[in-house]
Amino acid sequence: DQQVKQNSPSLSVQEGRISILNCDYTNSMFDYFLWYKKYPAEGPTFLISISSIKDKNEDGRFTVFLNKSAKHLSLHIVPSQPGDSAVYFCAASEGGSQGNLIFGKGTKLSVKP
Amino acid sequence: NAGVTQTPKFQVLKTGQSMTLQCAQDMNHEYMSWYRQDPGMGLRLIHYSVGAGITDQGEVPNGYNVSRSTTEDFPLRLLSAAPSQTSVYFCASSRVLEALTDTQYFGPGTRLTVL
Repeated sequence: DQQVKQNSPSLSVQEGRISILNCDYTNSMFDYFLWYKKYPAEGPTFLISISSIKDKNEDGRFTVFLNKSAKHLSLHIVPSQPGDSAVYFCAASEGGSQGNLIFGKGTKLSVKP
Repeated sequence: NAGVTQTPKFQVLKTGQSMTLQCAQDMNHEYMSWYRQDPGMGLRLIHYSVGAGITDQGEVPNGYNVSRSTTEDFPLRLLSAAPSQTSVYFCASSRVLEALTDTQYFGPGTRLTVL
């Protein structure tokens, strides 16, 4: 059973508009949430994270929102740029323990000029 | 800094063959890990290490062995390759305290096909 779900396999957005990528989780013990970006033939690169004690974290054009009661988080990219076209993975962990970072299946974002 | 390097980039094996995927990092990171990514799937943790001489199993460890004799290197051994091990393998490293809460640095991946 998937603990981290990204239900949209793909998303297409116009350049300059907002991209919203969604992620749901089932394990209430998760207390850290991370987003990674992956280009083809490359390894994932860390984008932004949020602790469960916060409901928002912002870094430049990227903002992650966390709704603990709904077990839902989202990544907002504003404004979207063609270079943002990549696969975005949501990941979660029980931050205090060692071991597993649980990844979702990813959402492929295409930003059209 | 080279970051995290992986060799080879591509490999084709026959069922039953063994091989070692190499991973090295030059950032003096204590934490290193191996993931596999299958089509349409997220990354799944195979094994990880929090320092030289210390390794532990992840989510999908069967069929794989690891050892950590130095801080820099974390090789992944396939003991007897099976078609189910066809995948893209990523090695990652980070400081221990950031492994599950912040940045892990990933290598470029090894694409393995088992016939």
